[in-house]
Amino acid sequence: QQQVKQSPQSLIVQKGGISIINCAYENTAFDYFPWYQQFPGKGPALLIAIRPDVSEKKEGRFTISFNKSAKQFSLHIMDSQPGDSATYFCAAPRHTGNQFYFGTGTSLTVIP
Amino acid sequence: NAGVTQTPKFQVLKTGQSMTLQCAQDMNHNSMYWYRQDPGMGLRLIYYSASEGTTDKGEVPNGYNVSRLNKREFSLRLESAAPSQTSVYFCASSVYGVGRTGELFFGEGSRLTVL
Repeated sequence: QQQVKQSPQSLIVQKGGISIINCAYENTAFDYFPWYQQFPGKGPALLIAIRPDVSEKKEGRFTISFNKSAKQFSLHIMDSQPGDSATYFCAAPRHTGNQFYFGTGTSLTVIP
Repeated sequence: NAGVTQTPKFQVLKTGQSMTLQCAQDMNHNSMYWYRQDPGMGLRLIYYSASEGTTDKGEVPNGYNVSRLNKREFSLRLESAAPSQTSVYFCASSVYGVGRTGELFFGEGSRLTVL
């Protein structure tokens, strides 16, 4: 049973455009909801995370929007750059709070 | 600062062979994890260790065993490898589980092919 549904599977954006990736979760612990970024041949690395008691968190060009009632959260990348080309994963904590369910990933390509 | 180190980086096995993936972290983290990554499946948790001396099953534990050797090291063993275990394996660690900060620190992965 898939606990976190991520879309789209792949995304192509022009340089300077906005990239939007969405995730929907089911029953989880209410702790942190992170986004991870993974470059080819590397392990994932934390990009940005949000607590569910806030609706939005912004760090530079990256923003997480959180909708607790809809059980959805999204990643917005403003002014997308070719260096942002990577795979992005959302995650939601399991009810035990010590594990994550990861989404299936979104491959982002930013065209110069 | 090495962070999370995995060995080997690449391995080819024949069906039925056994092997152990090694993982070590130098950040004094309490919790350690093994994930596998497959195309279209994302990252799936195999086993985790919340603290030294404890291990628990994740989403896909069948065919694997783990050992938390000490606070630094967490190994993953395939007793009888199968082609379905062809994957990229990631070890990760966190200070105290994932709920407090949302941050896992990942190694660079071990790419395993089972023929």
